[in-house]
Amino acid sequence: SQTIHQWPATLVQPVGSPLSLECTVEGTSNPNLYWYRQAAGRGLQLLFYSVGIGQISSEVPQNLSASRPQDRQFILSSKKLLLSDSGFYLCAWGTGRGTDTQYFGPGTRLTVL
Amino acid sequence: KQEVTQIPAALSVPEGENLVLNCSFTDSAIYNLQWFRQDPGKGLTSLLLIQSSQREQTSGRLNASLDKSSGRSTLYIAASQPGDSATYLCAVPDMRFGAGTRLTVKP
Repeated sequence: SQTIHQWPATLVQPVGSPLSLECTVEGTSNPNLYWYRQAAGRGLQLLFYSVGIGQISSEVPQNLSASRPQDRQFILSSKKLLLSDSGFYLCAWGTGRGTDTQYFGPGTRLTVL
Repeated sequence: KQEVTQIPAALSVPEGENLVLNCSFTDSAIYNLQWFRQDPGKGLTSLLLIQSSQREQTSGRLNASLDKSSGRSTLYIAASQPGDSATYLCAVPDMRFGAGTRLTVKP
């Protein structure tokens, strides 16, 4: 069966510090991978998606970047965090076929102070 | 446990028709409801977010309504176009998605 992992579960970082959130998927190959953010008072927003190693598409301009160094690994990064980067970050994977049901990881709660 | 249901599962209409997608939820204690669009092979794109204090939100040809007391939301699409073809999902906190409605608009 497929599983998706995210870490850390919670993170408190000062403004201006770097960020690295990791997501890994098990039990499937060549998945589509997604990063979402849910900010306080807002809905879910797609940040990045990837259809393969080294292939990253950005949905919104922002202070963040994403990388996919391996087939089942997706990393969300920032060189300098802003207060507005606070939120709940979700990684998801999908088959990329048909309706592409997405399966979400447990999420990372990021607080930037 | 919150359950979200979307009806119909699939819908095919000719171009130009007005249409309504339905979303129902079992726990009315929600603080918002969000409608998404999903194109094949892509992530979700947020369409409209309705806060619990609001009854409806509009964006272009899209209008979403929310009736918490009855546990329902509707997404109204006016003058549908082939480019509207996609799967439409509604979601309530926390990360509870409906199964989606697959919409096909025929030219």
